Amino acid sequence: EAGVAQSPRYKIIEKRQSVAFWCNPISGHATLYWYQQILGQGPKLLIQFQNNGVVDDSQLPKDRFSAERLKGVDSTLKIQPAKLEDSAVYLCASSPILGTGGEKLFFGSGTQLSVL
Amino acid sequence: AQTVTQSQPEMSVQEAETVTLSCTYDTSENNYYLFWYKQPPSRQMILVIRQEAYKQQNATENRFSVNFQKAAKSFSLKISDSQLGDTAMYFCAFMRRRTGNQFYFGTGTSLTVIP
Repeated sequence: EAGVAQSPRYKIIEKRQSVAFWCNPISGHATLYWYQQILGQGPKLLIQFQNNGVVDDSQLPKDRFSAERLKGVDSTLKIQPAKLEDSAVYLCASSPILGTGGEKLFFGSGTQLSVL
Repeated sequence: AQTVTQSQPEMSVQEAETVTLSCTYDTSENNYYLFWYKQPPSRQMILVIRQEAYKQQNATENRFSVNFQKAAKSFSLKISDSQLGDTAMYFCAFMRRRTGNQFYFGTGTSLTVIP
């Protein structure tokens, strides 16, 4: 079974530039998450989708971050404009629907973003 | 709000010895899951073990076991016969069983296995 795919693996940009990350979840997984992991901290949820609807985006800085999940499959997370404090690893995860083994997360390898 | 606390930022253990990582959580929920995830330098988060709150029996997966104390809201991970490949960050996580599968993570414990 193919895992959660993310790209790019690394990205270096200057502040005020824009950047986009892509995620393709495990086939059939209805729920998709984007987490931000700052060095030395645990993952913090940015946004959670179920199919193509948003379940939780309460911690997404909406003035600069946006995310979409068209057709309920793959997803894109965008930052525009980037700030120095956005330097982090961005993790994508997916899970099946509750009651069908959905009680765990499957993670991608993450994108490490450095904002200079 | 759900919070997950890991009070040990760093730990080390000799190869083949046993180590216990601590985790406490705070919730008003009654139906939830607890997890330990491992994150090696490759950044890939890997599920180590999972515990369902309504099950009193502690979960076990090979060399990994948990001590789940529901009343105390404590969920520690025991690694027996530690191996060099166990060197990683370990995150405790909580998931409440509601629509949406919302997960909350602790700040992690960096474990080093010493040869």
